[in-house]
Amino acid sequence: DTGVSQDPRHKITKRGQNVTFRCDPISEHNRLYWYRQTLGQGPEFLTYFQNEAQLEKSRLLSDRFSAERPKGSFSTLEIQRTEQGDSAMYLCASSPMGSGAEDTQYFGPGTRLTVL
Amino acid sequence: GEDVEQSLFLSVREGDSSVINCTYTDSSSTYLYWYKQEPGAGLQLLTYIFSNMDMKQDQRLTVLLNKKDKHLSLRIADTQTGDSAIYFCAERPDTGRRALTFGSGTRLQVQP
Repeated sequence: DTGVSQDPRHKITKRGQNVTFRCDPISEHNRLYWYRQTLGQGPEFLTYFQNEAQLEKSRLLSDRFSAERPKGSFSTLEIQRTEQGDSAMYLCASSPMGSGAEDTQYFGPGTRLTVL
Repeated sequence: GEDVEQSLFLSVREGDSSVINCTYTDSSSTYLYWYKQEPGAGLQLLTYIFSNMDMKQDQRLTVLLNKKDKHLSLRIADTQTGDSAIYFCAERPDTGRRALTFGSGTRLQVQP
């Protein structure tokens, strides 16, 4: 049983460039989440998909950020015109359809973004 | 609003018990979670507790919930050097929203 996978694991970019990250959830997990974690802090919620529908978006998700899950399987998170403040670990999580304990979120290893 | 607070640092000796504490503000929290994060890695789910429970035990881990005081604790028995990591508590409210709210994490250092 494979867990949540993310690609790339590390990304270094220059300010103003666009970057795209990919997340592959645990197979058969209908729900997929993106979080951002800065140094010394806990993860902060960005957005959530149920199948291909984006159902929740945080105020942290500025108009430079866009997330998609076109076929209800993998998801991409794109950041346009990156800024140094975007430097963080971007974490993806997935959970199966269900309520209660069945909705437990399992996290991937994260993509560490450094904006120079 | 939702807020989760944890102490920043805990140091224990190998073989002792560790107790990591967490307080939260959202009275509608249904599930409360403990995650472990090792350097440079993602979050590993350790355990969770439903809000109608007071205690949950899972091998070396014991979770205690005081819903009246909105206080959650994680006890690790016989702490090992491999337990050195950052521990996050997180809550999910009963509002239909799926987002977890995390604390800032407690760094556990286990000394041999």
